[in-house]
Amino acid sequence: GAVVSQHPSRVICKSGTSVKIECRSLDFQATTMFWYRQFPKQSLMLMATSNEGSKATYEQGVEKDKFLINHASLTLSTLTVTSAHPEDSSFYICSAATNGEQYFGPGTRLTVT
Amino acid sequence: GQNIDQPTEMTATEGAIVQINCTYQTSGFNGLFWYQQHAGEAPTFLSYNVLDGLEEKGRFSSFLSRSKGYSYLLLKELQMKDSASYLCAVRGRYNQGGKLIFGQGTELSVKP
Repeated sequence: GAVVSQHPSRVICKSGTSVKIECRSLDFQATTMFWYRQFPKQSLMLMATSNEGSKATYEQGVEKDKFLINHASLTLSTLTVTSAHPEDSSFYICSAATNGEQYFGPGTRLTVT
Repeated sequence: GQNIDQPTEMTATEGAIVQINCTYQTSGFNGLFWYQQHAGEAPTFLSYNVLDGLEEKGRFSSFLSRSKGYSYLLLKELQMKDSASYLCAVRGRYNQGGKLIFGQGTELSVKP
């Protein structure tokens, strides 16, 4: 149990375009999901906390207008990177919380050319 | 402020024991987690401590001292597949949404 999926696993996009990443909890309902970003050889940096039915809470320094988060249902949260630039290239990981535990998705590798 | 410190990298020999330390200073505390992460993959859960003391789980054990803001992960009978990054993470208070703050990770290399 407690499986979290992400789609796509890898995506390459051109500079200036937008990319949507989906995070799904497959066998449980998650009122809270978290979005992280990880650059090479660095740790996970929390970007935002996503609560079902309400606005996401962004960490300091994360642009909410650039990283749009939607949590429309108890099993799905989406992160849209708008007007992507090469510096947005990173590994994006989501996690879904249930019963006090966080379960991580497999991550999405974004490359912006 | 929030600060979680771990050694950047460690090297150990197959079959040996290694201890990875983590110190933390956070504005709230509701548990400390250890995760293992192989390159290009998501973290996988190893252990969780919320009370002081040692939690043992097979070859892995984790210790917590809340008064000292200190934890360690102990790996016994090291195997080559244990080569990975080990992440220490602190969970904030419930009213902080239960979010995890991660340390920079310790890259462990296990050599024959």
